[in-house]
Amino acid sequence: GENVEQHPSTLSVQEGDSAVIKCTYSDSASNYFPWYKQELGKRPQLIIDIRSNVGEKKDQRIAVTLNKTAKHFSLHITETQPEDSAVYFCAAASGNTPLVFGKGTRLSVIA
Amino acid sequence: NAGVTQTPKFRVLKTGQSMTLLCAQDMNHEYMYWYRQDPGMGLRLIHYSVGEGTTAKGEVPDGYNVSRLKKQNFLLGLESAAPSQTSVYFCASSYSTTYNEQFFGPGTRLTVL
Repeated sequence: GENVEQHPSTLSVQEGDSAVIKCTYSDSASNYFPWYKQELGKRPQLIIDIRSNVGEKKDQRIAVTLNKTAKHFSLHITETQPEDSAVYFCAAASGNTPLVFGKGTRLSVIA
Repeated sequence: NAGVTQTPKFRVLKTGQSMTLLCAQDMNHEYMYWYRQDPGMGLRLIHYSVGEGTTAKGEVPDGYNVSRLKKQNFLLGLESAAPSQTSVYFCASSYSTTYNEQFFGPGTRLTVL
């Protein structure tokens, strides 16, 4: 089955700097890669996703890149703000299988 | 719309006791999921359902049972609770396929003593 590795497990950045979180997956059939954000004590929420026919997708300060050949994808957050502090989860799946999540990255933005 | 709701929010059980967690969604979603979240382990899928009357095993199904008798409800049962089942349980739903956004409930914090 699918296995998703996520790095780093914790990340601290200064406010205004960029943050990058990386994930690798094992199943070459996976073609859907969402990212979820979970603030402290809250439920996970989708922030951005990408499908395998697209190499990059951007939404304001967040972007996701996908390298299908290397089987890895990354989340990029620019101009980080304190409200970006949260745990971020990557996930992977194909259309016939449920999502498999990475173990999460705790991002701290230091003002 | 209430979205996805979970009952109860908190529960403490003794080893060997049983309980049922209820998940309800009012978005007419076909797919529903139960996850457990443990520190450093991310979200692990317990069971899921692709429609009323159907269920399937996820990554960590042992010790749990589920039922989807109505489209809007997905029940998670623990027949004989164990301390290893201490966790935060999240229910989620999505419109149809895996490609659709999953909407999560607020979670249930379960402690088994």
